[in-house]
Amino acid sequence: AQSVTQLDSHVSVSEGTPVLLRCNYSSSYSPSLFWYVQHPNKGLQLLLKYTSAATLVKGINGFEAEFKKSETSFHLTKPSAHMSDAAEYFCVVSTRNTGFQKLVFGTGTRLLVSP
Amino acid sequence: SQTIHQWPATLVQPVGSPLSLECTVEGTSNPNLYWYRQAAGRGLQLLFYSVGIGQISSEVPQNLSASRPQDRQFILSSKKLLLSDSGFYLCAWSVHIWSWSSYEQYFGPGTRLTVT
Repeated sequence: AQSVTQLDSHVSVSEGTPVLLRCNYSSSYSPSLFWYVQHPNKGLQLLLKYTSAATLVKGINGFEAEFKKSETSFHLTKPSAHMSDAAEYFCVVSTRNTGFQKLVFGTGTRLLVSP
Repeated sequence: SQTIHQWPATLVQPVGSPLSLECTVEGTSNPNLYWYRQAAGRGLQLLFYSVGIGQISSEVPQNLSASRPQDRQFILSSKKLLLSDSGFYLCAWSVHIWSWSSYEQYFGPGTRLTVT
């Protein structure tokens, strides 16, 4: 079965410093992986996705993630945090079923950005 | 472009009362549709999914039901709400596929349900 583990429930950074949100996955085949962001009381927005093309994936708002098969990781990074990046981030893996997409969500990492 | 709507945005209901949450998608045809619940401080739990009109699959046994009366309409219902039904309910859609390809899901703005 597919699963993801987000290694930190909370990450605190200062504005202008790098962001690293860690995610490890488990999958019996080459996975499709996603990062979503959720601002308070809002729906989820797709940041980026990996679907077996380039291992370094660039997303919106300056975020990127690198797929590392040897480490079963898909960490999310950003060179310089903005106050507006404060939100909950979810690492997600998809199952491979014909006809529908079933996503398995991590428990989330809350990113706190201080001035 | 595609958009997804949910209403109401917030809802406060007493225990034992009925529930109806609605989700509609615009700008696409024959989407896959999903209902999720997000409890406070927790990740998302898939409740139901649908690959077509009248086709509903339930992921977990619960006090809720879902229906898809039209291609782009997905409804979450309950006959009698429980306190444990409180949470943030999210509807999502994805492209309907019949392959091993992987497509992302797009989420609505959510409904905050408080059962008192």
